[in-house]
Amino acid sequence: EDQVTQSPEALRLQEGESSSLNCSYTVSGLRGLFWYRQDPGKGPEFLFTLYSAGEEKEKERLKATLTKKESFLHITAPKPEDSATYLCACKSGGSNYKLTFGKGTLLTVNP
Amino acid sequence: DTEVTQTPKHLVMGMTNKKSLKCEQHMGHRAMYWYKQKAKKPPELMFVYSYEKLSINESVPSRFSPECPNSSLLNLHLHALQPEDSALYLCASSQSPSAGITDTQYFGPGTRLTVL
Repeated sequence: EDQVTQSPEALRLQEGESSSLNCSYTVSGLRGLFWYRQDPGKGPEFLFTLYSAGEEKEKERLKATLTKKESFLHITAPKPEDSATYLCACKSGGSNYKLTFGKGTLLTVNP
Repeated sequence: DTEVTQTPKHLVMGMTNKKSLKCEQHMGHRAMYWYKQKAKKPPELMFVYSYEKLSINESVPSRFSPECPNSSLLNLHLHALQPEDSALYLCASSQSPSAGITDTQYFGPGTRLTVL
């Protein structure tokens, strides 16, 4: 059974204090790992798709990396507007459609 | 443009009511999805339509009835719901469900449903 585990469950940072969120996965034949940002009461907003170990993608203050066992979402010099829940999801070789989601990391950035 | 729209934003209904949720995308995507999300939980897949045909039903109770009238529209018809069905209902779409292609799912803003 595919499993995705995110840590920590919650993270509080001061503005400008860089950190990383972790997503470890046990998936049969990984076909893609996805990062989403979700604000309260809203739908997940797509951030990155990673396909193979060693791949890195960046967008503004965010950088996502992928190894054979885990992915990191690095946040550099975060701002209060980066506060949100960050969801990691994986697609395995067993399905064209299904995503296995982690439980998310709630990030709070204090000014 | 990666926009998926959903209406209404909020819906309150009684257990005997019949209502519908609507989802629309104009990105030419051929797969569309319904998810249910409870507070502080990740989204749970309910249904998948691929090329306007139902491909996946995750053992969802029959009080939820999906419909895909065309490649841009997805509806979810609701009837005789229970209070525990109160949740955020999310629609998503992706470009191509073909084997060998890993496509990204784009989510709409959701409909907040409250069943009284």
